Amino acid sequence: QVQLQESGPGLVKPSETLSLTCTVSGGSVSSGSYYWSWIRQPPGKGLEWIGYIYYSGSTSYNPSLKSRVTISLDTSKNHLSLKLTSVTAADTAVYYCARGECSGGSCSFDYWGQGTLVTVSS
Amino acid sequence: SYELTQPPSVSVSPGQTASITCSGDKLGDKYVCWYQQKPGQSPVLVIHQDSKRPSGIPERFSGSNSGSTATLTISGTQAMDEADYYCQAWDSSTGVFGTGTKVTVL
Repeated sequence: QVQLQESGPGLVKPSETLSLTCTVSGGSVSSGSYYWSWIRQPPGKGLEWIGYIYYSGSTSYNPSLKSRVTISLDTSKNHLSLKLTSVTAADTAVYYCARGECSGGSCSFDYWGQGTLVTVSS
Repeated sequence: SYELTQPPSVSVSPGQTASITCSGDKLGDKYVCWYQQKPGQSPVLVIHQDSKRPSGIPERFSGSNSGSTATLTISGTQAMDEADYYCQAWDSSTGVFGTGTKVTVL
């Protein structure tokens, strides 16, 4: 059973960089055709896709965040990371990591972490 | 940017059928997934590839997609189905979520 666990600071100051890690257990981030993704949800609002990194290392980002986002894989630690620069209060959200699996031309998020709340405030 | 629009809320009586729509430009040309999210919990995949149910998802959940609208149908709705539901699709390697629909079982 694949499990994902997000970790990182729960409070980040405006203009600083948000850094989160997602540790994967029960599977390898470097095996299979999976899209390891970050998704966020502001309090009381809907889901927003941030981006993904393919097991090969290629990435795709939400155009609205692309200039501030970096997603990376650390195969030795079996985890993926998210960095979001120049944060503002609008970046306050629960951040989820999720595994994207593709079959028959369709990709869906089949495993999710429990999510971690990051608040941007001075 | 590509957008997916859902009704903010849907109400249904226990045992009845709930239908949740998701609209987007030429959505029928893309594959749609649906996620269920209960308060304080992570989303759960309930439909992928327009109409396929993952293992463990009850048969009362079904999906369709044609034209510009995808639909998630919950037949014989139960109190446990009360949750937020999100559609999701891909547009040029970019993931897009719908605006979300709160299903209330009255």
